[in-house]
Order: sequence, then C-alpha cells, then structure tokens
Amino acid sequence: GAVVSQHPSWVICKSGTSVKIECRSLDFQATTMFWYRQFPKQSLMLMATSNEGSKATYEQGVEKDKFLINHASLTLSTLTVTSAHPEDSSFYICSASRTSGVTGSQYFGPGTRLTVL
Amino acid sequence: AQSVTQLDSQVPVFEEAPVELRCNYSSSVSVYLFWYVQYPNQGLQLLLKYLSGSTLVKGINGFEAEFNKSQTSFHLRKPSVHISDTAEYFCAVTLTGYSSASKIIFGSGTRLSIRP
Repeated sequence: GAVVSQHPSWVICKSGTSVKIECRSLDFQATTMFWYRQFPKQSLMLMATSNEGSKATYEQGVEKDKFLINHASLTLSTLTVTSAHPEDSSFYICSASRTSGVTGSQYFGPGTRLTVL
Repeated sequence: AQSVTQLDSQVPVFEEAPVELRCNYSSSVSVYLFWYVQYPNQGLQLLLKYLSGSTLVKGINGFEAEFNKSQTSFHLRKPSVHISDTAEYFCAVTLTGYSSASKIIFGSGTRLSIRP
C-alpha cells in the first residue's frame, strides 16, 4: 500500500509555456501533499505544502504565482509551472501523507523531470 | 530550526565490503529521523526510520541505523553491500509530536557507488 504516482514522468516544453504535473495517492487518502524540487546532484528542496481544500503554503523564495498548486481532492494535487523558463528545468517530486497512520510518514512519487527549452 | 548534515558527498566501496554513511542533525527539540534511498531518475524510498524505542533500527535491504542522542547522529550501515545498492542516500528529520503532515528536512545526500 501507500503508492503515489506522478504524471507525466517527463516533459519537455518551450520557454513561455505552462506545464501541469499531477500527483495522486492511489490507495490512500492524503490530506497533505508536499512538492519538492531537486536539481542535479542536489538534495530535495521543499517548495510548498498543499492541504486538501485550502491554499498551499509556500516556502520562502518560492514564487506562488509561478508555481500554482491545487489540492482539489484527497487523492490529487497538481503543480502548474506557469510561463516556464530554462531555469525551471528540474526534477519535481511530490509526497503525500496519510490522514491517519504513523507520525512522520510521507510517501513519495517517482518524480517528474521537466526540461524547458 | 532543524538541520541535517551528511558528511560525505560520495562514498565508493567495493562489493561485499561494509559501509557506513554518516548523518548528524541539529535541533533544539526532539526529532524523528529517516533514511531514504533514491535510485537514478526515481523518487525516494524509505529505508528506515527512528521514532522512539530501541536506538538500533533495522530497515529494508539489509540496512540499519543507530540513533545516538548524545552525538546527535544517525549513521546508516550495511555489513556487506551489493552492486544494486548503488544510489543516492538521504538522511532526513522531522519534528516529533506533529502529524504525518510535518515538513521533512533533508540532508544534502551521499552518493554510494559500489565497485565490483
């Protein structure tokens, strides 16, 4: 159990376009989902925390107007990179927390590699 | 604020040799500790976690870690590594007493490369 999927697994887009990445908890309900960004050979940096039915909480330095997060249901959160530029190219990973369960447990998706040309 | 330091960015080891990946944390409050593994172009998989109780924690794939409160360390060990253990390993912490929605703070990662 506790499977998290992401779609797409990779995407290439032109500069200036918008890209939407989906994060789904397949076999459990997740009131909270997290979005991370990982640059090559670096650690995961938390971008925002998304709670179902409410606005996301962004980390300092993350542009909320550029990285739009929607958590419309207990199994789906989306990250939209608006007007993407080459510097937005990165590996984006989501994680989801169960509504109940062991404290501190998050389940990670397989990641989405975004390349902006 | 909490922080995590992984002292080695890369650790090369011969196959079947033992390995230790070091992790130190800093926090003024109690934390939960985790080790995650990331294979190339994949997400993170939980190896093991320390929440409370025995300070020696056993995880998947033959890994174990020991929580040392006095040294604020949570080093990861495996007595005999395999080629398939080649991956990036991340140490992480989160605050205790919070729900599973707590933020996780990751270390910078250690790349474990296994040589035949």
